[in-house]
Amino acid sequence: EAGVAQSPRYKIIEKRQSVAFWCNPISGHATLYWYQQILGQGPKLLIQFQNNGVVDDSQLPKDRFSAERLKGVDSTLKIQPAKLEDSAVYLCASSLVPTYEQYFGPGTRLTVT
Amino acid sequence: AQSVTQLDSQVPVFEEAPVELRCNYSSSVSVYLFWYVQYPNQGLQLLLKYLSGSTLVKGINGFEAEFNKSQTSFHLRKPSVHISDTAEYFCAEGSGNTGKLIFGQGTTLQVKP
Repeated sequence: EAGVAQSPRYKIIEKRQSVAFWCNPISGHATLYWYQQILGQGPKLLIQFQNNGVVDDSQLPKDRFSAERLKGVDSTLKIQPAKLEDSAVYLCASSLVPTYEQYFGPGTRLTVT
Repeated sequence: AQSVTQLDSQVPVFEEAPVELRCNYSSSVSVYLFWYVQYPNQGLQLLLKYLSGSTLVKGINGFEAEFNKSQTSFHLRKPSVHISDTAEYFCAEGSGNTGKLIFGQGTTLQVKP
């Protein structure tokens, strides 16, 4: 069974630029999560999808972050414009149903200079 | 607000020695606790979980954890570590019924030969 795929694995941009991350969950997983992991901190949930609907986006900085999961499968997380404090690893996870037992992808490491 | 505290940011230990990684949680209601492990350049994977029942929980790779309600702790232990156990370990608490995880800051386990 293929795991959660994420791309790119690494990205370096300058502040005020835009960036997008892509996630392909495990086949059949209806629930998809995006986490932000800042160096020295644990992952923090940004947004959770159930199929193509948003379950929780309470910690998503909506003035600059957006996410979509149009067909209930792949998802894209966008930052526009990026700030220095957005430097982090962005993790995507998925599960069959909303559950604490989630399958994580390898993450995208973003560096904003 | 719920919070999870991992008391050690780094734990160096020699191979074949025992290890304990400490975790305290804050919730006073129904408690769901987890340990996730993150190997270098990989996503997080579930090590073990406590949902209810026996307070001693066994996980993969010889790890176990004990739920202690009076001390609000969920410490992770292994009687004899291997070099391959070198990784970042995250304690997490389940929040609500949508699968939201609250992670601690992480503990880096460094196993030395």
